[in-house]
Amino acid sequence: GESVGLHLPTLSVQEGDNSIINCAYSNSASDYFIWYKQESGKGPQFIIDIRSNMDKRQGQRVTVLLNKTVKHLSLQIAATQPGDSAVYFCAENRAYKLSFGAGTTVTVRA
Amino acid sequence: DAGVTQSPTHLIKTRGQQVTLRCSPISGHKSVSWYQQVLGQGPQFIFQYYEKEERGRGNFPDRFSARQFPNYSSELNVNALLLGDSALYLCASSYRGETQYFGPGTRLLVL
Repeated sequence: GESVGLHLPTLSVQEGDNSIINCAYSNSASDYFIWYKQESGKGPQFIIDIRSNMDKRQGQRVTVLLNKTVKHLSLQIAATQPGDSAVYFCAENRAYKLSFGAGTTVTVRA
Repeated sequence: DAGVTQSPTHLIKTRGQQVTLRCSPISGHKSVSWYQQVLGQGPQFIFQYYEKEERGRGNFPDRFSARQFPNYSSELNVNALLLGDSALYLCASSYRGETQYFGPGTRLLVL
């Protein structure tokens, strides 16, 4: 079965609001996670990654939080823009193999 | 800098045929991974190559094979195509296999 899974298949967000996308994983030995954004007709685009020795990592308008106690990670997007509309995947990298969840489709409302 | 490139972008084949997909990694990257993405799902791992050696294989039949060349480019071959092989085939490039950067994919339709 899946080693990572997303909580909600869809998320509708008002432009300018913050978005939060959640992901759960099952293996407590997992130590490296990556968030990808996939726009229609394109390949997944790297957003941000985090290792298990960190709880939080920030990028440009994005923050990833990792809670190892409950095996949960989240991607926060600040001031969501129309260009943020896409499918978002969390992926676990174990032994150089990426395992993906099903994805959350984010739709930004004007 | 050029990202990961894949060719062709689209391909239509009939059942039973064979197909070869190509990938060029980011300059300096030595690892290439292949993934299959069926519509509405996340990518599924097929193969990883590092320094021209197969380092990992996913749960795919032997009809799927791949290789990596001295210049680190890679080919994915699928024999005896089935309708269920219709998917987006993604190539991911990395220096050693950790942070993987994806190409645009090849969309394969099997009729």
